[in-house]
Amino acid sequence: GEDVEQSLFLSVREGDSSVINCTYTDSSSTYLYWYKQEPGAGLQLLTYIFSNMDMKQDQRLTVLLNKKDKHLSLRIADTQTGDSAIYFCAEITSNTGKLIFGQGTTLQVKP
Amino acid sequence: DAGVIQSPRHEVTEMGQEVTLRCKPISGHNSLFWYRQTMMRGLELLIYFNNNVPIDDSGMPEDRFSAKMPNASFSTLKIQPSEPRDSAVYFCASSLGQFSYEQYFGPGTRLTVT
Repeated sequence: GEDVEQSLFLSVREGDSSVINCTYTDSSSTYLYWYKQEPGAGLQLLTYIFSNMDMKQDQRLTVLLNKKDKHLSLRIADTQTGDSAIYFCAEITSNTGKLIFGQGTTLQVKP
Repeated sequence: DAGVIQSPRHEVTEMGQEVTLRCKPISGHNSLFWYRQTMMRGLELLIYFNNNVPIDDSGMPEDRFSAKMPNASFSTLKIQPSEPRDSAVYFCASSLGQFSYEQYFGPGTRLTVT
């Protein structure tokens, strides 16, 4: 079945890079996503990558996809205190059209 | 655009009462999704609609939960009777198509059942 796994917590210092990792099991995933959730708010789509891509860069965000290992990562360059939030990895498959979310990684940015 | 609108933002009710959560999707979006978020189970898809028709309700926990979408701009999620274990944050999301790859989430309704 479909399963998405993430580590639960990451702490970094302001200005450092953050790398949040995710693994998934469904090889028929078509798109993989990163969402950000700030306290008391809904989920905000940060970026996504199509499964035939290896990398996508969007300003401070870099998404890397290793399809062989079913591993996805989100790198945030020059992490700021405003980046503190929960980050969710999610996948969607063409046969269900449903988003499957990981448990979320809480990113703590220390000044 | 105002984004996905949910109401109420917070709801506190007693066990056994009926609860109705409301959602207005982004104008022009024709798919709507209801999710539940808890610490124990994370984010779970409850049901989704495409063109106002329920497509997959396999995530609805039990018969106490029901959802409707009478038109393209409004959906409700009803719990009757409510139980303490229903306490969670309920999110509505919308997208342009059934297999659209960008879902936009509302701010959520925090439900507390005492």
